[in-house]
Amino acid sequence: SAVISQKPSRDICQRGTSLTIQCQVDSQVTMMFWYRQQPGQSLTLIATANQGSEATYESGFVIDKFPISRPNLTFSTLTVSNMSPEDSSIYLCSVQYRVGDTEAFFGQGTRLTVV
Amino acid sequence: AQSVTQLDSHVSVSEGTPVLLRCNYSSSYSPSLFWYVQHPNKGLQLLLKYTSAATLVKGINGFEAEFKKSETSFHLTKPSAHMSDAAEYFCVVYTNAGKSTFGDGTTLTVKP
Repeated sequence: SAVISQKPSRDICQRGTSLTIQCQVDSQVTMMFWYRQQPGQSLTLIATANQGSEATYESGFVIDKFPISRPNLTFSTLTVSNMSPEDSSIYLCSVQYRVGDTEAFFGQGTRLTVV
Repeated sequence: AQSVTQLDSHVSVSEGTPVLLRCNYSSSYSPSLFWYVQHPNKGLQLLLKYTSAATLVKGINGFEAEFKKSETSFHLTKPSAHMSDAAEYFCVVYTNAGKSTFGDGTTLTVKP
């Protein structure tokens, strides 16, 4: 099965600061995604991390707030910028290994609390 | 576009009684469907998946789900609830572009 490592697993941050979350996969993957789960809510797709180019953001999410990098086929980062308490959420990385796969895999998530 | 509707936001059952969590989906083509469970302060755990093979899918911990194309449903069942089943359950439809669309979730409460 897939091995997806997210770091940090949790953090408590001051408002106005930024946090970068890392997602490392055990082998090359075609697609990488970032999701957000706000307290008591379901998961919402933030963006698709594109290797070597700008991420593709879903409606309601912008690059200035959630810059994403994907320098290679096994690694991606999500930064939560200028944080406010409303950014307190679980952030999850998801991958599709091969084109045409019928399943995605999820990391264990990063639990972020902004105070 | 794909969408998922979980028909119950909360379900409460007594221990030892059957569990039914309902999910309807919308998809422009034959979908892949999943049920995930999330225990408090834990990550997502895959319960079971349907990917165009057998319509009755068996998962972990005694859960199963039946894909019914005519009803566009993928309801999750378990014959006998256990206290440890209390958690949040998500029905998910997956696109061949790799994206997952989550339902709003169903909170399962199991009473002693």
